[in-house]
Amino acid sequence: NAGVTQTPKFQVLKTGQSMTLQCAQDMNHEYMSWYRQDPGMGLRLIHYSVGAGITDQGEVPNGYNVSRSTTEDFPLRLLSAAPSQTSVYFCATLGAARYGYTFGSGTRLTVV
Amino acid sequence: DAKTTQPNSMESNEEEPVHLPCNHSTISGTDYIHWYRQLPSQGPEYVIHGLTSNVNNRMASLAIAEDRKSSTLILHRATLRDAAVYYCILRDMGTSGSRLTFGEGTQLTVNP
Repeated sequence: NAGVTQTPKFQVLKTGQSMTLQCAQDMNHEYMSWYRQDPGMGLRLIHYSVGAGITDQGEVPNGYNVSRSTTEDFPLRLLSAAPSQTSVYFCATLGAARYGYTFGSGTRLTVV
Repeated sequence: DAKTTQPNSMESNEEEPVHLPCNHSTISGTDYIHWYRQLPSQGPEYVIHGLTSNVNNRMASLAIAEDRKSSTLILHRATLRDAAVYYCILRDMGTSGSRLTFGEGTQLTVNP
């Protein structure tokens, strides 16, 4: 039982490049979400999904796209990377009991 | 979202109890009080949550004031592994896809 798996763990991008951060879960959780954490700050919600085929924007959605074609996967796409997107990205899921979120171990992204 | 206020940092000695306070004077009747912690270089981890009554689990205890305007997370015997940032978060669990709004949390240092 892997829980929430994020790949890659580290990534360096050049300004203007695009990439996809992967999030996969094996807990059959309907709710999935993406957060970013900048140095010394709490996490901020980027996008979330309440089920396959349904996505919505969070607090800081600009520059990011998401899709949810399956229950298991919720990829986050950076369309044209900017230095302001340098951050640690966390994927989080929530089960039907709706108690505690399960977070992945994060992807550390640097945009130069 | 209702706001929480926590001290920026606290210090404890190993094997002593730790009381982490949180003020939430604007809490609404449907807000649950959640606590998460984030160990260095890891994603946040669910600790405990409650509504009105005090709660205990294997990780910690949560003491909620009678007027619900404040709460305290209690670690009964701190270990070095408990050194982390602790976040107190209000969450309306009746809201579909309700998000977690993170503040800056309390950095707990545990001295050997």
